[in-house]
Amino acid sequence: DTAVSQTPKYLVTQMGNDKSIKCEQNLGHDTMYWYKQDSKKFLKIMFSYNNKELIINETVPNRFSPKSPDKAHLNLHINSLELGDSAVYFCASSPDNSGGASDFGPGTRLTVT
Amino acid sequence: QKEVEQNSGPLSVPEGAIASLNCTYSDRGSQSFFWYRQYSGKSPELIMSIYSNGDKEDGRFTAQLNKASQYVSLLIRDSQPSDSATYLCAVDSGGYQKVTFGIGTKLQVIP
Repeated sequence: DTAVSQTPKYLVTQMGNDKSIKCEQNLGHDTMYWYKQDSKKFLKIMFSYNNKELIINETVPNRFSPKSPDKAHLNLHINSLELGDSAVYFCASSPDNSGGASDFGPGTRLTVT
Repeated sequence: QKEVEQNSGPLSVPEGAIASLNCTYSDRGSQSFFWYRQYSGKSPELIMSIYSNGDKEDGRFTAQLNKASQYVSLLIRDSQPSDSATYLCAVDSGGYQKVTFGIGTKLQVIP
């Protein structure tokens, strides 16, 4: 049974489009995260939510909007996609707010053409 | 700018040897330190977390923390080819859940 799941796994789209990535965790964790890993493999936190409340909102363009309908779900919507948004996006979760995500989803590889 | 620095490698060690992975950080206020393993094309996996100065052991892995020197390391004993991966150091910076990652060190264990 998958602990942290993301859909879709691959996303290819054109510049200017709007897309969403969905994430669900069945671990009962309180905290969920979105990370971006760029082409140089550098991993950077974008957002974190604790019990549906936004805790961290890094310097991410406001074209990116996270939404947490409940503790088990954290979705990411991206408006007006740009070439530089191409990356792998990881959803993750942790049981507490220590800062270190304990479980990662499989990632969504976003390619903007 | 809070920084976490790692040598990107690759670090090559023979099978059975001890692999030593190092990480330095710039924020003296950091309290939480994490090591992740990431196989090529896969998602990161949390290996170890450490919060106090000294050593913390878990199986073949030992994390070492020296806050005075702003240095955290990961030792892998009896390295196996299956340990070949990129190891990411992550450090709490700015408090509450804000973790900064290093670029990662690529480890190659040679059979």
